[in-house]
Formats: sequence, C-alpha cells, structure tokens
Amino acid sequence: SQTIHQWPATLVQPVGSPLSLECTVEGTSNPNLYWYRQAAGRGLQLLFYSVGIGQISSEVPQNLSASRPQDRQFILSSKKLLLSDSGFYLCAFNSRGTGELFFGEGSRLTVL
Amino acid sequence: AQSVTQLDSQVPVFEEAPVELRCNYSSSVSVYLFWYVQYPNQGLQLLLKYLSGSTLVESINGFEAEFNKSQTSFHLRKPSVHISDTAEYFCAVSDPSDSWGKLQFGAGTQVVVTP
Repeated sequence: SQTIHQWPATLVQPVGSPLSLECTVEGTSNPNLYWYRQAAGRGLQLLFYSVGIGQISSEVPQNLSASRPQDRQFILSSKKLLLSDSGFYLCAFNSRGTGELFFGEGSRLTVL
Repeated sequence: AQSVTQLDSQVPVFEEAPVELRCNYSSSVSVYLFWYVQYPNQGLQLLLKYLSGSTLVESINGFEAEFNKSQTSFHLRKPSVHISDTAEYFCAVSDPSDSWGKLQFGAGTQVVVTP
C-alpha cells in the first residue's frame, strides 16, 4: 500500500537558524510530490511541487527551497528562518493521472 | 484558472443536528472535486471525491456531497453530526486534463460540534 511519512512532527527553531523537513513515500514509483504550508486561518498554500528527481517548481517566492534527491524523497529547507516561516507544513503525493492527494502527518514549525 | 470558495469559515452545530458546508468553484472545463477533513494537528484525509458518474457521492462515515454543474457547487452534508466530526473541512478541485493533478483548495471550514 502507498504510505507517506514526514518528520520531524514538531520543531522549535530560533530566527536565523537553518531548516530541514523530510518526506518519504512508499508503495509507488515516480509520484508527484508537494509541499504545502498551512498558517492559522489562511488555508493551504502550495509552496513547491515536483514531477521527478531534481525537478522542482516553486509556486511563491519565499525564504524556502525544496529538493528531490531521490524518486520518493522530498526535502524542504531554509538557510535562515524568519518569524513568518512559522506554520504547519504538509507533504503530499499523488500518482499521475489522478487528482487525489495523499498527505503526510504534518510538521509544526515554530520560529522564535 | 480554477478557484474554490468555501463560503463559511466556521460552522457551529449541535450534536445530532444536520450540517451543510458550502463549496463553489469556478472553472470553464470539467473538474474533479474533493472534500478533505483535517483533525487537529494531523494531515488531511480524503473524505469523498467526484470524478465522474453519479453526481451524489457518499463517504463511509455518513457524509455526502452532490455535484451540481449548473451551480458549480459541491456542497457537503451530514444529516446527524457527532462530536468526533469536529474538524476542518477543505473543498478542492482539479482539472482532469492536467496530468500533474494539482489541486486547488478552498480556505477551509471549521466545524465545531457541541453537546
């Protein structure tokens, strides 16, 4: 069966520190991968999506970057966190030809 | 471009009462439609989806949604809610011709069920 895992579940980081959130998918090959951010009361914002290894599309300009070093691995990073980077980050995937997204458990980031 | 509007940001409801969450979308092409549910501090889970066929779709836990093409709506309903239905609900749309299947989400509706 298809599964998705992301970690860490919670993270408290000082302003200016680096960030790395990791997401892995099992049970499928060549998935589309997504990073979303959910800020309080603001719904879901698509940050990045990837259709293959090394192929990253950014939806909004920001302080974050994404990488896909392996087919089923998706990493969200920042070199220097800002207060505004706080939020709930969700990794998701789908297989080509379907619209249904499968979400990870989420990572709550608090920047102090 | 597609967009999704969820008309209510928060819906308070008493236990065992009915609830309706409204969702409207804008698109000039055919669409796939989804409702997701998010419990506190968790990821989103698919509740139900419309891809084709019958316009009334049901979930295993008593929710149903009806695709209305003329009104471009996909409202979610449950005739009798439980405390455990307290969660945030997201409506989403995608374009079947988009092989990448990117979803466009609404802003979400917070349902709070009280005894």
